[in-house]
Amino acid sequence: ETGVTQSPTHLIKTRGQQVTLRCSSQSGHNTVSWYQQALGQGPQFIFQYYREEENGRGNFPPRFSGLQFPNYSSELNVNALELDDSALYLCASSHAGQGYYGYTFGSGTRLTVV
Amino acid sequence: KQEVTQIPAALSVPEGENLVLNCSFTDSAIYNLQWFRQDPGKGLTSLLLIQSSQREQTSGRLNASLDKSSGRSTLYIAASQPGDSATYLCAVPYNTDKLIFGTGTRLQVFP
Repeated sequence: ETGVTQSPTHLIKTRGQQVTLRCSSQSGHNTVSWYQQALGQGPQFIFQYYREEENGRGNFPPRFSGLQFPNYSSELNVNALELDDSALYLCASSHAGQGYYGYTFGSGTRLTVV
Repeated sequence: KQEVTQIPAALSVPEGENLVLNCSFTDSAIYNLQWFRQDPGKGLTSLLLIQSSQREQTSGRLNASLDKSSGRSTLYIAASQPGDSATYLCAVPYNTDKLIFGTGTRLQVFP
């Protein structure tokens, strides 16, 4: 079975720009969650997508948005980038909208905003 | 509101020692707890998932226990090796849609 894959691995953006991060869920998983991890901190929940709809959202502004596609892959879009958006962005997949069987994480995308 | 705390924040030990990493959570109404390993700048690797009906799970040299009533979980690492050096995170589900993480224990095992 394939794991969670994220792209790109690293990217550098300028303040005010927009960015799109991509995630392919693990085979058999239909739910994708996105997390932001600042240096030295635990990951913070951004939002979750289940059946192509947002299923929950953390304390992040509307300029953080997402999509889920029929094949369960997902995108995270961030508009009007700020310096504080610099972080490791992690995607996790799970089964059936809940984490009863646990979550599988990808290797992350390191975003640097300059 | 669920809060997760991990102690110690950092640990440096010689190879071969048996280790105990602690995780505590404030809301005991959880249905599982998951331990992860994170290498510097990398993603999370799931180590163990303990369901609320279980008291412990084992995988190789790793053993994790869960005591819901006291809001605690312990990750035990036997015969530590330099390759075990990483940050260890525990996480519990909340509101069915997200994981709440601790800030992790940064482990260094030296030869």
